[in-house]
Amino acid sequence: QVTLKESGPGILQPSHTLSLTCSFSGFSLSTYGMGVSWIRQPSGKGLEWLASIWWNGNTYNNPSLKSRLTVSKDTSNNQAFLKVTSVDTADTATYYCAHTRLAQIRGTGGYFDYWGQGVMVTVSS
Amino acid sequence: DIVLTQSPVLAVSLGQRATISCRASQSVSISSINLMHWYQQKPGQQPKLLIYRASNLASGIPARFSGSGSGTDFTLTIDPVQADDIAAYYCQQSRESPNTFGAGTKLELK
Repeated sequence: QVTLKESGPGILQPSHTLSLTCSFSGFSLSTYGMGVSWIRQPSGKGLEWLASIWWNGNTYNNPSLKSRLTVSKDTSNNQAFLKVTSVDTADTATYYCAHTRLAQIRGTGGYFDYWGQGVMVTVSS
Repeated sequence: DIVLTQSPVLAVSLGQRATISCRASQSVSISSINLMHWYQQKPGQQPKLLIYRASNLASGIPARFSGSGSGTDFTLTIDPVQADDIAAYYCQQSRESPNTFGAGTKLELK
């Protein structure tokens, strides 16, 4: 059974760095075709894909956030991480991590078949 | 970026068929693989995968959900609609990075 759970600071100040952890079970991030992705959703709005990290260490970020995103993993401890630098109020959202399956051989993207419950992050001074 | 366009709202009656569309700004298919996926989200909950690669039913999803389409035009069908299906529905493409989502279609009762 695949489960994921996000953890983070809840609230942080503008210009600070947001650090989120995704702790998961039921799969290994060293298995071919598996990944973890980060997706966020401002209250009452739609979903925005942020980044993915794959079993082979490849990472893909949404260029709309320029170079503010860093995604990483600790395979041994079944965790994935997201850092967002220089946050501002526009980064206020619920952040989800999701188990991701490669959608095609030699592809770079996938679909999100298991999701964490999400962690609400508020950026406020 | 590939832009996915969905109608904001669809009103249906219980027991009827709901057809939710998603149009991509460019093809999201490679050969015979259609890289479009569908999710359901109820208020206060995380999204749930319904359909992957356009027409494959995700594990545990009832057979009243189905998906079709290729290229730039895709459809999620719910037949018959039940009260538990009232939710927002999102399409997502994985053809190109960045992965993108449609803005969502809210399914409402007539």
